Amino acid sequence: DTEVTQTPKHLVMGMTNKKSLKCEQHMGHRAMYWYKQKAKKPPELMFVYSYEKLSINESVPSRFSPECPNSSLLNLHLHALQPEDSALYLCASSQDRDSSGNTIYFGEGSWLTVV
Amino acid sequence: GQNIDQPTEMTATEGAIVQINCTYQTSGFNGLFWYQQHAGEAPTFLSYNVLDGLEEKGRFSSFLSRSKGYSYLLLKELQMKDSASYLCAVRDPAAGNKLTFGGGTRVLVKP
Repeated sequence: DTEVTQTPKHLVMGMTNKKSLKCEQHMGHRAMYWYKQKAKKPPELMFVYSYEKLSINESVPSRFSPECPNSSLLNLHLHALQPEDSALYLCASSQDRDSSGNTIYFGEGSWLTVV
Repeated sequence: GQNIDQPTEMTATEGAIVQINCTYQTSGFNGLFWYQQHAGEAPTFLSYNVLDGLEEKGRFSSFLSRSKGYSYLLLKELQMKDSASYLCAVRDPAAGNKLTFGGGTRVLVKP
């Protein structure tokens, strides 16, 4: 089972709202990722968690706040977003961060619209 | 720095073969991945190469030459459902082993 589950699938939020995107995997993977993808562009890495610790932050604005409550869950807390933050947010996981041959599996994504 | 290049678009006929090239320049190399992404959906893993040579998986094959910084994805016996974007991605240990994607190649399969 190579399943990464994301909720919600669609989210519309105002610029003053606080919301969260959630991601779950039960493959025993110890690396989890958030990517952002705009239309007709490739996914861009935002954050990497390795063994529940933040290992990479790609200079993401603080209005995006990741959280890894345990090895199966990854959240992305959203606050005071801008319309240009509207995108597909992809969660992914892999066995670990560094081993050669680790496949990164993506969830279905959460479509975010900021109004 | 990292630079991953692939053609923007390709068109092919149902039943034919299409080859999508990917060239990369990265500080380090720890594997090259190919993903398929249909419009409005998440990327789906297709293949992985870390050693030189050809990896075959059914109708899809992927080739790697590390010395040339080059890979290709070969799609045989094209079907209409193969119309999608194909993403080449490289894992770079010099960049925390993060996966960096090329711009993607949109393949359109025509009857």
